Amino acid sequence: QGQLVQSGAEVKKPGSSVKVSCKASGGTLKDNIVSWVRQAPGQGLEWMGRTIPAFAVANYAPRFQGRVTITADKSATTVYMELSSLSFEDTAVYFCARDHRSGDGNNLPFAFWGQGTLVTVSS
Amino acid sequence: QSALTQPPSASGSPGQSVTISCTGTSSDVGGYNSVSWYQQHPGKAPKLIIYEVNKRPSGVSDRLSGSKSGNTASLTISGLQAEDEAVYYCCSFAGINEVFGTGTQVVVL
Repeated sequence: QGQLVQSGAEVKKPGSSVKVSCKASGGTLKDNIVSWVRQAPGQGLEWMGRTIPAFAVANYAPRFQGRVTITADKSATTVYMELSSLSFEDTAVYFCARDHRSGDGNNLPFAFWGQGTLVTVSS
Repeated sequence: QSALTQPPSASGSPGQSVTISCTGTSSDVGGYNSVSWYQQHPGKAPKLIIYEVNKRPSGVSDRLSGSKSGNTASLTISGLQAEDEAVYYCCSFAGINEVFGTGTQVVVL
């Protein structure tokens, strides 16, 4: 329970867009906060944005504003991250992660992670 | 939003303790008790080990502990073990956004 399964690796041209999916295994993501975090080769983690499918709202990190869109399908089993105007610097592993509400009411941030999706931007 | 500042590396011998700092500002670390820590082994997804400054998720070793003073949060690993060798990241809520630290490589000598 809680497992997130992401789509496979992508190779994209500069200037194009990529859409990565994140599917809940055995449930929905409707009431969860689902975030996208990326990690360039040999670099640290970078938060890109989040959504709560139940409210169909999303927040984006300032540096990605206007270039990233996070959405969910109607069943809220899959969340998507689309990044446009790709450049070589967007080559990275992209992770989805969801929060978890524990039995005692605590919110555990980024408690469950997908396996990561490598996006390579190459001409 | 700038990344939170962590030392690039920290090390200790088995059984020793190591403490990692995470320095931000009053707009993130200092302004909220929403600091979390993640452990990442090579080629793996990060794992939540501390949330809300000093709470441990179920199943996380009590050798790991967190604290915060002003704009700086800290993670302490007591009784270092070989399995603790990994990169550790802090993360803080920052109003609307989240911001991660630069990461610290912990080496068990």
